[in-house]
Amino acid sequence: QQPVQSPQAVILREGEDAVINCSSSKALYSVHWYRQKHGEAPVFLMILLKGGEQKGHEKISASFNEKKQQSSLYLTASQLSYSGTYFCGTDRAVGGGADGLTFGKGTHLIIQP
Amino acid sequence: EAQVTQNPRYLITVTGKKLTVTCSQNMNHEYMSWYRQDPGLGLRQIYYSMNVEVTDKGDVPEGYKVSRKEKRNFPLILESPSPNQTSLYFCASTRDRRSLPYGYTFGSGTRLTVV
Repeated sequence: QQPVQSPQAVILREGEDAVINCSSSKALYSVHWYRQKHGEAPVFLMILLKGGEQKGHEKISASFNEKKQQSSLYLTASQLSYSGTYFCGTDRAVGGGADGLTFGKGTHLIIQP
Repeated sequence: EAQVTQNPRYLITVTGKKLTVTCSQNMNHEYMSWYRQDPGLGLRQIYYSMNVEVTDKGDVPEGYKVSRKEKRNFPLILESPSPNQTSLYFCASTRDRRSLPYGYTFGSGTRLTVV
């Protein structure tokens, strides 16, 4: 089952903050976050593991709430380069494993000058 | 440069004409997979491979075949393409995830149109 992302789209001014949420109906082992710019391949941002801490990548950070089966991606003081579609990915198998990820439908983020 | 290479980038074909999309990675990754991306549906996994000669179905395998004869290559085969297979296809690879999960590296994509 695909994780559910919200919101579907966000329009921000440069410098504003954004939060993108990812919820799953099953227990999560790890959550991946990727960004895809138009016409390009998805690019890995970060991974959060069950029992792990909040992670960060420059002004982009994420949290993982195992009990709620949710993850959130935080973009602070957004830059024009942050525009794109953000996907969360969760393990297809409960408990992790090697059979791949199921991705959400994506959140379109538009940063305006 | 560490990368996943897909070919071709663009392909227009006719219904029923067999085609192969190639995927190759130079990172010695054990795990490789194919995804298709359609508007409003996100990325959906077609097939994956945990290592040479080990492949399994993903969420949308109908109409596709794969093989993994070498560690670096993972071609996607459409034996009788149909218009509903018109999509953007991505190949991805990562290290063995059974011990510790790692991020995926994606290829540049193949835009397939079946008429």
